[in-house]
Amino acid sequence: SQELEQSPQSLIVQEGKNLTINCTSSKTLYGLYWYKQKYGEGLIFLMMLQKGGEEKSHEKITAKLDEKKQQSSLHITASQPSHAGIYLCGADVATGGFKTIFGAGTRLFVKA
Amino acid sequence: GAGVSQSPRYKVAKRGQDVALRCDPISGHVSLFWYQQALGQGPEFLTYFQNEAQLDKSGLPSDRFFAERPEGSVSTLKIQRTQQEDSAVYLCASRPGMGNEKLFFGSGTQLSVL
Repeated sequence: SQELEQSPQSLIVQEGKNLTINCTSSKTLYGLYWYKQKYGEGLIFLMMLQKGGEEKSHEKITAKLDEKKQQSSLHITASQPSHAGIYLCGADVATGGFKTIFGAGTRLFVKA
Repeated sequence: GAGVSQSPRYKVAKRGQDVALRCDPISGHVSLFWYQQALGQGPEFLTYFQNEAQLDKSGLPSDRFFAERPEGSVSTLKIQRTQQEDSAVYLCASRPGMGNEKLFFGSGTQLSVL
C-alpha cells in the first residue's frame, strides 16, 4: 500500500531560525496536502499542491511539490513559537473514489 | 453547520463495553472520513463514505468496528466489546466533493478504554 514518509520525526529550533520538513512517497502523488495539528486538537489545513513543480506560500510557510510528484517539502522562514505543533502531509489514493492518507507527522518545537 | 462536529469530546469506557461516536459533517458535504490517531502518531485511515455509500472500509482494525451513514449526512462509528488497544483519538473529516479537495476536520473524540 502507498505510504507517506515524513522527516524528521521531530525538530527543535531556536526562534528566528528557518526549517524544512519533507514528505516522500514511492508512488506519484495525486493531491498533496499539508496540515498542522496542535496537541489534542483537530487538523488545520495549510496548503494543497497538485501539479509537478508547484509552489505555494502563506505568510512565512512555503510548500513545494517536485516535478515527479513524489516528494514535497514544507519550509518555515524565521520560525516563531506560534509555529510549534505537529505538521502532517496527506495525499489522495484512488480507491473507488479518493481517500486521503497521512504520514506519521513531524513534531516541531520552537525555543523562545 | 459551521464546521464538523464530533460528540462526545471525551469518552471513557470499561473494557468490553460498546461505544458509539457521532460525526456531524458540514452540511452538503459528499465525502466523510473516519481516522484513528494514537498518541504520537499520524491519523490512520479507517473508512470513508460518499453520501450513504461506504466506498472503503479497509482500515477498520477488526469486525468489532462498524461505521454507518444511513442518510448521507450524520455518521456513527461503533466499536463493540472495546479493548484497551482501541484507546485513541477518533477524527472525523468531510469535504464537498469526491477528491482533490481539502478535508475539514472535527476536533475528535478521545476514547479511553480502562
